[in-house]
Amino acid sequence: QKEVEQNSGPLSVPEGAIASLNCTYSDRGSQSFFWYRQYSGKSPELIMSIYSNGDKEDGRFTAQLNKASQYVSLLIRDSQPSDSATYLCAPFILTGGGNKLTFGTGTQLKVEL
Amino acid sequence: GAVVSQHPSRVICKSGTSVKIECRSLDFQATTMFWYRQFPKQSLMLMATSNEGSKATYEQGVEKDKFLINHASLTLSTLTVTSAHPEDSSFYICSARGAANSPLHFGNGTRLTVT
Repeated sequence: QKEVEQNSGPLSVPEGAIASLNCTYSDRGSQSFFWYRQYSGKSPELIMSIYSNGDKEDGRFTAQLNKASQYVSLLIRDSQPSDSATYLCAPFILTGGGNKLTFGTGTQLKVEL
Repeated sequence: GAVVSQHPSRVICKSGTSVKIECRSLDFQATTMFWYRQFPKQSLMLMATSNEGSKATYEQGVEKDKFLINHASLTLSTLTVTSAHPEDSSFYICSARGAANSPLHFGNGTRLTVT
């Protein structure tokens, strides 16, 4: 089982719709979770962080975490063409050697006009 | 917000030469810096983790003698690709973290092309 699993997509949504991106992780010890957005040819940029179960909202973005199910998601409301990018789920895993941020392969989102 | 500066953004070098990439945290002290590599249409792959003042920890399969990492201060880490070959051509990205458990902030990446 991969440490972090995401549907690679592409996920296509019409402009103005809600985009739902999902992620599961294998390590029950994960305590911190981050969503990054990566445009083609660019480095990742942090969108959201979430540390406790439940929902966390920031503007058009809502992160949802369920540690019991080892599941984290990102909702994007009122999707815009500029949201078209690859979204990376990244839980922080505590190991004997320290903290390690582990990235999923990412979900490609396409917002269509 | 936290800013990480990475230079150069793009470099072309000849096979057999060495290339140094710098990563600086501009407005915070980075206790830990991470170096990633990303090939086209693939996910980020962690190469190594460096802590200020100590030797870097390399991921399995990454040659430490080929990819030299120095983290001499709390704001600067360097990655040197020694004796570069065309297969080393990739997008190299550094990231930095302040406190433990805080998110990583990424530099803009360096696109290396070895001819």
